[in-house]
Amino acid sequence: NAGVTQTPKFRILKIGQSMTLQCAQDMNHNYMYWYRQDPGMGLKLIYYSVGAGITDKGEVPNGYNVSRSTTEDFPLRLELAAPSQTSVYFCASSYSAGNEQYFGPGTRLTVT
Amino acid sequence: QKEVEQNSGPLSVPEGAIASLNCTYSDRGSQSFFWYRQYSGKSPELIMFIYSNGDKEDGRFTAQLNKASQYVSLLIRDSQPSDSATYLCAVNPLSGTYKYIFGTGTRLKVLA
Repeated sequence: NAGVTQTPKFRILKIGQSMTLQCAQDMNHNYMYWYRQDPGMGLKLIYYSVGAGITDKGEVPNGYNVSRSTTEDFPLRLELAAPSQTSVYFCASSYSAGNEQYFGPGTRLTVT
Repeated sequence: QKEVEQNSGPLSVPEGAIASLNCTYSDRGSQSFFWYRQYSGKSPELIMFIYSNGDKEDGRFTAQLNKASQYVSLLIRDSQPSDSATYLCAVNPLSGTYKYIFGTGTRLKVLA
């Protein structure tokens, strides 16, 4: 099993550009999550999904969008990138709510 | 009061000693508790999870949960330099929900 995979590993965006961060898991997990991690801060939940076709906002959803068309994939879309979106983004999955989460390797995004 | 609090450290221990990492949480109804290890520039990696009061052991790691006092701790026996990392505590405050609250982590340094 590859677990949770994310692409790209690094990306530099200019202000106003858009991009999609890819996330996939092969563990047949129902729940998937997107977090961002800023220096000295805890992980903040951006969006989550409880299954294909079902997504909902987390703590910090502004400026982001998600979709979940399959159990395996959970892409995160950034529209009109802003410097405040400079961060490390982690995708995670869990079998069910309250179960342990497994994290992907992360995407380091810089917006200049 | 933060929902999940950890001392940021660094906690320095000599090689071979026991490292004790602590985490307190504010929501008395919290059900699931997790410890993750995060090396610099890497993603969080699950170390242990605990749901019931008491101790849970896995190799050199022991998680301890005291719901009455609202704390969870992680003991690392026979600490090795490779254990040097940031340890994140995470709490699922309501059983069956998507929400995980992460602490900001304790940085552990094991001195050879």
